[in-house]
Amino acid sequence: AQTVTQSQPEMSVQEAETVTLSCTYDTSENNYYLFWYKQPPSRQMILVIRQEAYKQQNATENRFSVNFQKAAKSFSLKISDSQLGDTAMYFCAFMKPPYNNNDMRFGAGTRLTVKP
Amino acid sequence: DTAVSQTPKYLVTQMGNDKSIKCEQNLGHDTMYWYKQDSKKFLKIMFSYNNKELIINETVPNRFSPKSPDKAHLNLHINSLELGDSAVYFCASSQVTPRTYNEQFFGPGTRLTVL
Repeated sequence: AQTVTQSQPEMSVQEAETVTLSCTYDTSENNYYLFWYKQPPSRQMILVIRQEAYKQQNATENRFSVNFQKAAKSFSLKISDSQLGDTAMYFCAFMKPPYNNNDMRFGAGTRLTVKP
Repeated sequence: DTAVSQTPKYLVTQMGNDKSIKCEQNLGHDTMYWYKQDSKKFLKIMFSYNNKELIINETVPNRFSPKSPDKAHLNLHINSLELGDSAVYFCASSQVTPRTYNEQFFGPGTRLTVL
């Protein structure tokens, strides 16, 4: 079974500073996808960033970047220059092939608060 | 234009009632999903429909039944509602390609409260 673990239920960061959210996962697959989703108070689920396991280069999207450690099965999200609008629940998620199932598994989430 | 829409956004009902939540996507996707997010924010897939066929059916009570009249709609019908059904239900859609990932787009969620 594939499981996704987020060990930090809550985190806070000062505006403009950097914060890292942790995620580990368990799988026997060699290729798969990993994701970070953001859920602000509006409840909308928004894809922040994704990483394909066979790509060694860490994915980056503007202020968001990941540290993907395949051997350690770790996939952390770094948010640089934190903004008040980054306050949200953040979910790490995993998807394994065959992708025609599109079966995505989520972690329990980390509640991030950005303080002014 | 809203890509994935759900109605209603809020639903409050009594135990034992039957209710439906509707979902529509205008993205031309061939696969739609229902997720349940419980009070602890844990998000878990319930159903996945591809071309009107069920391809994922997690262990959910058979009181829950997905109904897909066409590719653009996947409604969730719940019979004999229980207190534990209170949650936020998310619809999502994607275009599925066997060898690669395609992004799932989520609806805004429906908060169901069973009294």
